[in-house]
Amino acid sequence: EDKVVQSPLSLVVHEGDTVTLNCSYEVTNFRSLLWYKQEKKAPTFLFMLTSSGIEKKSGRLSSILDKKELFSILNITATQTGDSAVYLCALSGCQYGNKLVFGAGTILRVKS
Amino acid sequence: EAQVTQNPRYLITVTGKKLTVTCSQNMNHEYMSWYRQDPGLGLRQIYYSMNVEVTDKGDVPEGYKVSRKEKRNFPLILESPSPNQTSLYFCASSWGRHRTQYFGPGTRLTVL
Repeated sequence: EDKVVQSPLSLVVHEGDTVTLNCSYEVTNFRSLLWYKQEKKAPTFLFMLTSSGIEKKSGRLSSILDKKELFSILNITATQTGDSAVYLCALSGCQYGNKLVFGAGTILRVKS
Repeated sequence: EAQVTQNPRYLITVTGKKLTVTCSQNMNHEYMSWYRQDPGLGLRQIYYSMNVEVTDKGDVPEGYKVSRKEKRNFPLILESPSPNQTSLYFCASSWGRHRTQYFGPGTRLTVL
């Protein structure tokens, strides 16, 4: 049973392209959705989203949550080779109790 | 420096030989958690702890034990490791279950 589904599983783009990564989920009652970036080591935090419709931005990265349609997107503009990583989204909240549930991740490769 | 440390970073062992992977954080976080990461499956939560002496099962607890005798430490114990426990393990901590998780560097375990 997939609770958090990320798409695409993998993509390859060229430097300068814009990418949109998707995270969809099946529950309606949760506290926060988190995005992480994982290079060849531990995941590092990108964004935490709790409210629908409010975009969060950090440099070339931005993310937004749609609680009505049950998804979140992570946008990366003007991609660079350093953006190559696995991007993970996770949910925490009431329906999952005290657990955190991660998606399988999207593998992004940016070619120069 | 605020951090989560894990030891060992790499471990190769044989089936049935008990092992412990240590995890320690210096941020006075209440919530600590163990994950395993396998290709195509993302991060799956093994056990978590809300505070000292409070632990609970995640999604894949079979074959693992944990303890939380002190706030800073959260060891993962494999009483009788099996080859299907070969994986990359991450420890993480946060102020609360809905907050940003800080991940340790990971422990790559191989069970022969």
